[in-house]
Amino acid sequence: DAMVIQNPRYQVTQFGKPVTLSCSQTLNHNVMYWYQQKSSQAPKLLFHYYDKDFNNEADTPDNFQSRRPNTSFCFLDIRSPGLGDAAMYLCATSTSTGGPETQYFGPGTRLLVL
Amino acid sequence: GQNIDQPTEMTATEGAIVQINCTYQTSGFNGLFWYQQHAGEAPTFLSYNVLDGLEEKGRFSSFLSRSKGYSYLLLKELQMKDSASYLCVLLDSNYQLIWGAGTKLIIKP
Repeated sequence: DAMVIQNPRYQVTQFGKPVTLSCSQTLNHNVMYWYQQKSSQAPKLLFHYYDKDFNNEADTPDNFQSRRPNTSFCFLDIRSPGLGDAAMYLCATSTSTGGPETQYFGPGTRLLVL
Repeated sequence: GQNIDQPTEMTATEGAIVQINCTYQTSGFNGLFWYQQHAGEAPTFLSYNVLDGLEEKGRFSSFLSRSKGYSYLLLKELQMKDSASYLCVLLDSNYQLIWGAGTKLIIKP
């Protein structure tokens, strides 16, 4: 089945230790998104890629970076995780941003910062 | 500015009907989504409305009134598995998603 895959499902890191979360998709969608979601809050968009074009949200901290080496894969790098970065990180895909396209989400990676 | 309001939590009984309301303010509008999110899982698409009226899909229906800035999600014949958060999501004039905080629905036997 076509899907969005996130690894790992749970990630534990230490304060200040860089961590990378990965996302892959078999839907062949050209748009990929990274969201941060804290408990009982709405998902917060960090950035998205339209093909290789990177779009950063204005309030996304510099501590968060992303890479998209090809259509199928997208990575979220947190350079120096703080305690406040503990959250669920959701990857999503869609076919374009030019219209009301449904976003398809991966299962998420829950990040714990010690 | 843009704002989405929905109740924080609702409780309903298995087999009953529940209506989850969402009101919004926005300067530009290209539609409204409802997503379901079970605890610890990713959101999944339920419905999309861009025109006024009711869209029915099995046990779930979604209604939109653009003039009133109002939508609701109607769940019929509630099942225990419907216990989840329901997120009202606005698509603004730039086709960006504006997410509500979600309504946690608790189903009791």
